[in-house]
Amino acid sequence: SQTIHQWPATLVQPVGSPLSLECTVEGTSNPNLYWYRQAAGRGLQLLFYSVGIGQISSEVPQNLSASRPQDRQFILSSKKLLLSDSGFYLCAWSRDRGSIAYNEQFFGPGTRLTVL
Amino acid sequence: EDQVTQSPEALRLQEGESSSLNCSYTVSGLRGLFWYRQDPGKGPEFLFTLYSAGEEKEKERLKATLTKKESFLHITAPKPEDSATYLCAVHIYNNNDMRFGAGTRLTVKP
Repeated sequence: SQTIHQWPATLVQPVGSPLSLECTVEGTSNPNLYWYRQAAGRGLQLLFYSVGIGQISSEVPQNLSASRPQDRQFILSSKKLLLSDSGFYLCAWSRDRGSIAYNEQFFGPGTRLTVL
Repeated sequence: EDQVTQSPEALRLQEGESSSLNCSYTVSGLRGLFWYRQDPGKGPEFLFTLYSAGEEKEKERLKATLTKKESFLHITAPKPEDSATYLCAVHIYNNNDMRFGAGTRLTVKP
């Protein structure tokens, strides 16, 4: 069966510090991978998605970047955090059926980021 | 503009009191509608996918239905463990985005 891991589970960082969140998927190959942010009381906002190693698409302009150095590894980064980067960050995967859309997505446990 | 709206924002039920959650959407072309359950501090858990109007899916006390404009998540004889936030999301034609609603926070009292 497939599992998805995220770490760390919680993180408190000062404004201006760098960020690195990691996501790994087990039990599947060539998954589509996603990073979402969830603000309190709001829906999930798609930040980045990837259909393969080194292939990253960004949905919204922001202070963050993503990378996919290995097939089942997805990393979310920032060089300098802003207060507005606080939130609940979720990684998700879906099966590669030749299209990003039309696939159910499975989520990891999330990382709670607080920027002070 | 493509939108997904869930109602009500919050719902409090007594154990055994059946009800429905609504997800209405205005999108240019629906490729799929998804329901998720999210417990506090955790990632969403996949429940159902619906692809075409008239389709229905069931899982234990939950039943999801789809029309051309909205989806309902019916909860029959809920139990306290059904308490969670239920999220609806849609995939849109010619778009790589899965658009999420803000969710309905369900509380079931014993």
